[in-house]
Amino acid sequence: ETGVTQSPTHLIKTRGQQVTLRCSSQSGHNTVSWYQQALGQGPQFIFQYYREEENGRGNFPPRFSGLQFPNYSSELNVNALELDDSALYLCASSAGQRRTDTQYFGPGTRLTVL
Amino acid sequence: AQSVTQLGSHVSVSEGALVLLRCNYSSSVPPYLFWYVQYPNQGLQLLLKYTTGATLVKGINGFEAEFKKSETSFHLTKPSAHMSDAAEYFCAVSGDNDMRFGAGTRLTVKP
Repeated sequence: ETGVTQSPTHLIKTRGQQVTLRCSSQSGHNTVSWYQQALGQGPQFIFQYYREEENGRGNFPPRFSGLQFPNYSSELNVNALELDDSALYLCASSAGQRRTDTQYFGPGTRLTVL
Repeated sequence: AQSVTQLGSHVSVSEGALVLLRCNYSSSVPPYLFWYVQYPNQGLQLLLKYTTGATLVKGINGFEAEFKKSETSFHLTKPSAHMSDAAEYFCAVSGDNDMRFGAGTRLTVKP
């Protein structure tokens, strides 16, 4: 069984650019959630996708957007990058959207905005 | 709304000593609680979770946690610390469709 994978591992961008991060969910999982983890903090919820539809969103501006594909993999897109977007971006997959469903995390993508 | 508070951003123990990491929660619905561990430059790994049933939950690597509704707590313990336990630990509560994390506790294990 393959776990959650993310690409790329590291990324350096400049302010104002756009970035796309990718996530492959664990086999059998139909739900993907994205989190932003700033240095020294706990992860903050960005949004969740369930069967290709956005299923909830945290307190992030519209320049953070996402997609989920028929194979349940997902993308996180961030436009007009700001310095404060520098963080570890974590993807998590789960077998469903219920509160009891455990979320399994990938290794993350470290984004640095200069 | 659901939230968690982790008491102590840093905890230091000697190898072989008891590990106690504190977590208190707030929830307007029956809470589903989780502990995750994060090693440097890695993602989060699930240690254990509580949904319903037995209030003492056993997890991986010898960790366990006890759900105490009267104290709104879900503290994480391990009887004997090992050097490999040094990491960041996050308590989380399940929201409507997200996990809500505490700020984390960094565990240091001294030889």
